[in-house]
Amino acid sequence: DQQVKQNSPSLSVQEGRISILNCDYTNSMFDYFLWYKKYPAEGPTFLISISSIKDKNEDGRFTVFLNKSAKHLSLHIVPSQPGDSAVYFCAASQPFSGGGADGLTFGKGTHLIIQP
Amino acid sequence: EPEVTQTPSHQVTQMGQEVILRCVPISNHLYFYWYRQILGQKVEFLVSFYNNEISEKSEIFDDQFSVERPDGSNFTLKIRSTKLEDSAMYFCASSDISTGELFFGEGSRLTVL
Repeated sequence: DQQVKQNSPSLSVQEGRISILNCDYTNSMFDYFLWYKKYPAEGPTFLISISSIKDKNEDGRFTVFLNKSAKHLSLHIVPSQPGDSAVYFCAASQPFSGGGADGLTFGKGTHLIIQP
Repeated sequence: EPEVTQTPSHQVTQMGQEVILRCVPISNHLYFYWYRQILGQKVEFLVSFYNNEISEKSEIFDDQFSVERPDGSNFTLKIRSTKLEDSAMYFCASSDISTGELFFGEGSRLTVL
C-alpha cells in the first residue's frame, strides 16, 4: 500500500530551467511533508518541509507547494543547477500522537538529472 | 555541523549470522529511527525509539530485529539471524522533535550471502 507516491522515477531538466518534482499521498492523516535529497552512497539530506496549515514554503531556489484537496505536493527548483542532480524523496508524517515518535513514510523517489 | 554517524559502512555476512549496526545520533536529539533501502526500492521505515523504548515499528521489524541504546550515545540495530532478503542499506536517523526534520546518517550497507 503506497501511501506516498512519486510517479516519475526520473526527470531530466536543462540547467537553468525549472525542475518540478511531484508527489501524491493517500493518507488524509498526514499533516507534515518533507523533501529529502539523496546522492549515491550517502544518506538522505533534508531539503525543505511544509506543514498542512500552509500551501507554500520557499527557501532560496526551492519551493514546496501543497494542495491538500488534491493530496498533492510539488517541489520546484529554480534555476536548476548541475549539483541538483540527485534522487529526491517525498516523505510524510502524521500528527504527533503524544506517545512516541512516528516514522516518516517515503515515496520511491525521483531521480533528477540536470543536463548542461 | 553535528551529524549522525554509522558503522560499519559495509558489512558482509553469511545467512543465519547475527549482525549489529551501530549509530551515534546527534547528541541533543531525543528521537531515533532506523530505515532501510533495498537496492532499487524506496526507503522504508523500520522502527522509532524514544525514551528508551520502541515507539513505533513497521511490519518489517519482526522478532529477528531489535534496537538498543546501551550507553546514552549509541543506538544499535541487531538482526539475530540474517536472511538473504535483509541485504539492504540501513539508515539511522535522529530528530529533536517528533514529526520534524530527521537527520540521516550515511548508511550501513549489509550484504547477506
